[in-house]
Amino acid sequence: GAVVSQHPSWVICKSGTSVKIECRSLDFQATTMFWYRQFPKQSLMLMATSNEGSKATYEQGVEKDKFLINHASLTLSTLTVTSAHPEDSSFYICSAKASGQGASEQYFGPGTRLTVT
Amino acid sequence: AQSVTQLDSQVPVFEEAPVELRCNYSSSVSVYLFWYVQYPNQGLQLLLKYLSGSTLVKGINGFEAEFNKSQTSFHLRKPSVHISDTAEYFCAVTPLGGADGLTFGKGTHLIIQP
Repeated sequence: GAVVSQHPSWVICKSGTSVKIECRSLDFQATTMFWYRQFPKQSLMLMATSNEGSKATYEQGVEKDKFLINHASLTLSTLTVTSAHPEDSSFYICSAKASGQGASEQYFGPGTRLTVT
Repeated sequence: AQSVTQLDSQVPVFEEAPVELRCNYSSSVSVYLFWYVQYPNQGLQLLLKYLSGSTLVKGINGFEAEFNKSQTSFHLRKPSVHISDTAEYFCAVTPLGGADGLTFGKGTHLIIQP
């Protein structure tokens, strides 16, 4: 149980275009989802916290107008990278926290590798 | 705010030897602690977690970790490693309650030598 999927697993886009990444909890409901970013050979950095039905909370330094997050249902959150540039190339990983779970365990998706050319 | 320090960016170990991956954290509030493993081009897999209770925590694949509050450490250990343990290991913390995201260390690359 507790499976999180991401789609696509990898994407290449041209500079200036937008890309949408989906994060789904397949067998549980997630009131909270998190988006992380990982540069090559580096750690994961929290970008934003997404709560179902409300606006996402962004970490300091993350541009909310560039990284649009929508959490419209208890099983789906999306991250849209708008007007992508080469410096946005990274590995984007989401995680989901099950509803009503007090123990704070997050289940991670497999990640989406974005390359902007 | 929290911070996590993984002192070793890379640890080479011979197969079947023991290993310890070090993790220290800093936080103004009490935290939950986690160790994750990441294989190449994959997401994260939870190895173990400390929430409360016994400070010695056992996880999957023969790993264990000990929470030391006075030293603010949560070192990961395995008595005998295998080639398949070659991966990146991340220590992470989050404030009690679990409403916040995780703060990760920079990771330790465990290299198992035959």
